[in-house]
Amino acid sequence: QVQLVESGGGVVQPGGSLRLSCAASGFTFSSYGMHWVRQAPGKGLEWVAFIRYDGSNKYYADSVKGRFTISRDNSKNTLYLQMNSLRAEDTAVYYCAKGTELELRGGWFDPWGQGTLVTVSS
Amino acid sequence: SYVLTQPPSVSVAPGQTARITCGGNNIGSKSVHWYQQKPGQAPVLVVYDDSDRPSGIPERFSGSNSGNTATLTISRVEAGDEADYYCQVWDSSSDLWVFGGGTKLTVL
Repeated sequence: QVQLVESGGGVVQPGGSLRLSCAASGFTFSSYGMHWVRQAPGKGLEWVAFIRYDGSNKYYADSVKGRFTISRDNSKNTLYLQMNSLRAEDTAVYYCAKGTELELRGGWFDPWGQGTLVTVSS
Repeated sequence: SYVLTQPPSVSVAPGQTARITCGGNNIGSKSVHWYQQKPGQAPVLVVYDDSDRPSGIPERFSGSNSGNTATLTISRVEAGDEADYYCQVWDSSSDLWVFGGGTKLTVL
């Protein structure tokens, strides 16, 4: 079955950096776009970033553009999120989620990983 | 940017029908997807492309979309349906994915 497992979360000081990973299994990873979505404590869901199946295109929410970088290694079936210049408002559970296949645009998120908590605090 | 508006809360008695709305400008021209999130768990897709159900999702969950409002309908509500529900669309004009603010469904 499809499985997504995030890792790399933790406590980081404001201005610091962190890299999240998402290990995928149970499907042809290299054929699907992938997303990062976050959820601040007690708040709703916020889409963060998307990368196409081949890594050729990347899209970001305005709130993270210029600070976060999404990437993937299809040989390792792994998705990444490099987070720089972190702020208190970036504190959230970060989920990776499987997107659409190949050239299809838009679409939904299914399934989701269990999430990893990032806390930005001094 | 495109905005989706959901009521913060909806309450319903067991066995009754719950309707959760998602408002957006001409949302009927977009594909709407719905997620269920129980406390401490990751979201789960319950309806995609306005009205389709993933495998394993009960027929009690259905969706519709027209004009400026999309609706998630849960028939014969059970205690286990108590959760937060989020609508989501893709804004093709900006290539961004958007979530509604979420609705907490309470089963009385």
